[in-house]
Amino acid sequence: GDSVTQMEGPVTLSEEAFLTINCTYTATGYPSLFWYVQYPGEGLQLLLKATKADDKGSNKGFEATYRKETTSFHLEKGSVQVSDSAVYFCALRGGGADGLTFGKGTHLIIQP
Amino acid sequence: GAGVSQSPSNKVTEKGKDVELRCDPISGHTALYWYRQSLGQGLEFLIYFQGNSAPDKSGLPSDRFSAERTGGSVSTLTIQRTQQEDSAVYLCASSFGSQQAHSPLHFGNGTRLTVT
Repeated sequence: GDSVTQMEGPVTLSEEAFLTINCTYTATGYPSLFWYVQYPGEGLQLLLKATKADDKGSNKGFEATYRKETTSFHLEKGSVQVSDSAVYFCALRGGGADGLTFGKGTHLIIQP
Repeated sequence: GAGVSQSPSNKVTEKGKDVELRCDPISGHTALYWYRQSLGQGLEFLIYFQGNSAPDKSGLPSDRFSAERTGGSVSTLTIQRTQQEDSAVYLCASSFGSQQAHSPLHFGNGTRLTVT
């Protein structure tokens, strides 16, 4: 079945550092890929998405590119802020579209 | 409404009691999903509805869990005879049509259930 693997945290960085959170997936067909963010005490918010190979999703300075050849969708940001501290989930939605398959989440901590 | 609404936001119950969790999806969204988020366990899929029907109930952890959706809108997740291991955050999400793979899920803020 479908699965998503992402680096487990916590990942601790200093403010203005470069961020990469790795995500790889296994799926049949051509899934859509998503990154969600969960701030403390809140629900999941869609951060960005990509629906086909080589698409780049971007939002709030975050970017991720759908790489079919490496089955990856790594999340990047050039300069992180303390307010980016949250849990980040990589997810896919397959052709059968029964919902999202999530990775386990990466807890990101940004220190001033 | 503007977003997915879940109630209550917090629920504390005694072991053995029944609880009902409510989800009000975004207007026009035909698909509705329930997930459970436990500490250290990530996000666990429970059940989804397309309209009022639930094609996939395989994620429900036991027969103490049930869910229904009426009028293609509000959904209720019921847990009977609650156990301490049921303590978790229960998240509801909705989207346009379960067959639309490009459509993201929109989540509510969840119900935090604590079983004492």
